[in-house]
Amino acid sequence: RKEVEQDPGPFNVPEGATVAFNCTYSNSASQSFFWYRQDCRKEPKLLMSVYSSGNEDGRFTAQLNRASQYISLLIRDSKLSDSATYLCVVLPLSGGYNKLIFGAGTRLAVHP
Amino acid sequence: EAQVTQNPRYLITVTGKKLTVTCSQNMNHEYMSWYRQDPGLGLRQIYYSMNVEVTDKGDVPEGYKVSRKEKRNFPLILESPSPNQTSLYFCASSRIQGSTEAFFGQGTRLTVV
Repeated sequence: RKEVEQDPGPFNVPEGATVAFNCTYSNSASQSFFWYRQDCRKEPKLLMSVYSSGNEDGRFTAQLNRASQYISLLIRDSKLSDSATYLCVVLPLSGGYNKLIFGAGTRLAVHP
Repeated sequence: EAQVTQNPRYLITVTGKKLTVTCSQNMNHEYMSWYRQDPGLGLRQIYYSMNVEVTDKGDVPEGYKVSRKEKRNFPLILESPSPNQTSLYFCASSRIQGSTEAFFGQGTRLTVV
């Protein structure tokens, strides 16, 4: 079983739609969680961290469910520019240093 | 400007011909790592380094070497490349603790024929 699992998609949605991605992780001791965005053939970039209480950044909302070991990302009012691959990233409790574990990504395609 | 710089961006080489992909960061980060990205498999860590002269294997280290003689540089060495090492490679750096945002280089697309 992969340490971090995501639905690869693609999710094809019209502009203005609301779309949600989920991600599950296997290590219950994981301590930090993130969503990264990767445009086609480009490097991943941090989109947002995921906090236990849930957090929002504009049209993006991230939530964490430790009991069920999943993380979600909600995008409201989708824009064409949101088309990208979204990577779920987990930091396991492993010596306290930054060994990030990446999911394979969920591809989003927003169409007019 | 804070950045991670990889070179080359694109490389086509032949089996067995040694090559080095360079990576340099200007953020004084302690932690640097190399990943390869293949379709359906996501980013897999090859090697990482927690500081100068401290390196360790990641999840897929076979066929690769690294060195960390200076804090800013972390080259990836393929002593005898094989076609199964054809992939997209990313170098990343971050602080070793605290802020855990990882900054990535622009990637190196390697083809081994």
